[in-house]
Amino acid sequence: GIQVEQSPPDLILQEGANSTLRCNFSDSVNNLQWFHQNPWGQLINLFYIPSGTKQNGRLSATTVATERYSLLYISSSQTTDSGVYFCAVERGTNAGKSTFGDGTTLTVKP
Amino acid sequence: DGGITQSPKYLFRKEGQNVTLSCEQNLNHDAMYWYRQDPGQGLRLIYYSQIVNDFQKGDIAEGYSVSREKKESFPLTVTSAQKNPTAFYLCASSIVLLGRGAHEQFFGPGTRLTVL
Repeated sequence: GIQVEQSPPDLILQEGANSTLRCNFSDSVNNLQWFHQNPWGQLINLFYIPSGTKQNGRLSATTVATERYSLLYISSSQTTDSGVYFCAVERGTNAGKSTFGDGTTLTVKP
Repeated sequence: DGGITQSPKYLFRKEGQNVTLSCEQNLNHDAMYWYRQDPGQGLRLIYYSQIVNDFQKGDIAEGYSVSREKKESFPLTVTSAQKNPTAFYLCASSIVLLGRGAHEQFFGPGTRLTVL
């Protein structure tokens, strides 16, 4: 099956710093999502981005499908950005198996 | 409010017992999913369903069973055959775009199952 690798596994930042999280995948995909898991376990949708670039406030994401990677940018980080960031990809033409990476754990210190 | 609800939030089970986790959505989504998350790890797919009365095994279906009798409901039963059931269970739903694959998945708040 498809492999999804996220890097770095852990990231510690000072409040106000910028960061880039990466998601590499081993085969072509037709769906890619970024999620933020908060301390209570809830997964919050950040981006649905199978290709191209999107921005939402301090967050933006870029997926280069032909090179099989996606990047999540967090600017001017805040303590509330702490948590685990996951990317998830899906192959095929039918709704079905999504594969998640192991996540990047972000800690933003005040 | 539209959304996905899971109950209970916390569940304790004795070894050898079957338990059923509830997942309901009022988003009118076609597809529903169950994932398992172990501490420090990503999500692994247990079962998924694209339409009513149909479902497929995911990567770790052994020891679990599901049903999809209604579009809005997708309960998961953790059977006594599941050797290590203590985990965080997440339910999700999405709209199916025929020929293009699933659209965005949206998640419920999860159920934490502990086997005593």
